[in-house]
Amino acid sequence: EPEVTQTPSHQVTQMGQEVILRCVPISNHLYFYWYRQILGQKVEFLVSFYNNEISEKSEIFDDQFSVERPDGSNFTLKIRSTKLEDSAMYFCASSVSVANTEAFFGQGTRLTVV
Amino acid sequence: KNEVEQSPQNLTAQEGEFITINCSYSVGISALHWLQQHPGGGIVSLFMLSSGKKKHGRLIATINIQEKHSSLHITASHPRDSAVYICAVRFTDKLIFGTGTRLQVFP
Repeated sequence: EPEVTQTPSHQVTQMGQEVILRCVPISNHLYFYWYRQILGQKVEFLVSFYNNEISEKSEIFDDQFSVERPDGSNFTLKIRSTKLEDSAMYFCASSVSVANTEAFFGQGTRLTVV
Repeated sequence: KNEVEQSPQNLTAQEGEFITINCSYSVGISALHWLQQHPGGGIVSLFMLSSGKKKHGRLIATINIQEKHSSLHITASHPRDSAVYICAVRFTDKLIFGTGTRLQVFP
C-alpha cells in the first residue's frame, strides 16, 4: 500500500540551527501539507502546497519556515533558525485533491530543539 | 474562527463495550475526517465523510451536516482499539483538528 514517508524520525538540534525535514508523498498525489503537534496539544496546520507554490499558510508559518519540492518527489520543510518552541512532532500529508479526498499522513518527525 | 470540539476528552471502556465519540464544528465544511493516533505518534486516516454514514469493520462514522455534528462508533471494543481518536474538518485548503479523545479499552 502506498504511504507517505518522512525522514528522519527524530531530530535533535541546537537552538539557532537550521533543520530540514523531509517527506516523500504518495506518487500520484498533487497536494502536500505540513502540520505540527506540540506535545500534549492538538495538531495544527502549517502550510499547504500545490503546483509548486504555497496555496495556504497559517500564522505559525512565519519567515523562519519555508517549503520546497526540489526534485518532483521530495517535499521539504526548512526551519532557518530553530527556537525552543519549535520542538514538536511534524507531520507531512498528501492527497490527490483538496475536497472530499482522504489525506494520508506520514509517521512524523519528532524535532527536539535544545 | 473555526473550532472543532470533541467529547469526551478521555474514555475508558471494558472490552466488548460499544463506544461513541462525538465531534461538533462551527462552520460549513467540505468534509470531515476521523483519524487515529497511536502512542508512537503516527496518524492513520479512518474515515472521510461529507454526508451520511460509513462503516469499516467494527467502526461506524456518521455525520449530520445540518447540525454540524459527527459521531464515531466502535462496536465490540477491543484493547487494540486503545488510541487517540481525532476529528478533523476540511476548511478551505486545510484540516482543522479537534483535541482528540483518548480511548483506553481494558480486557
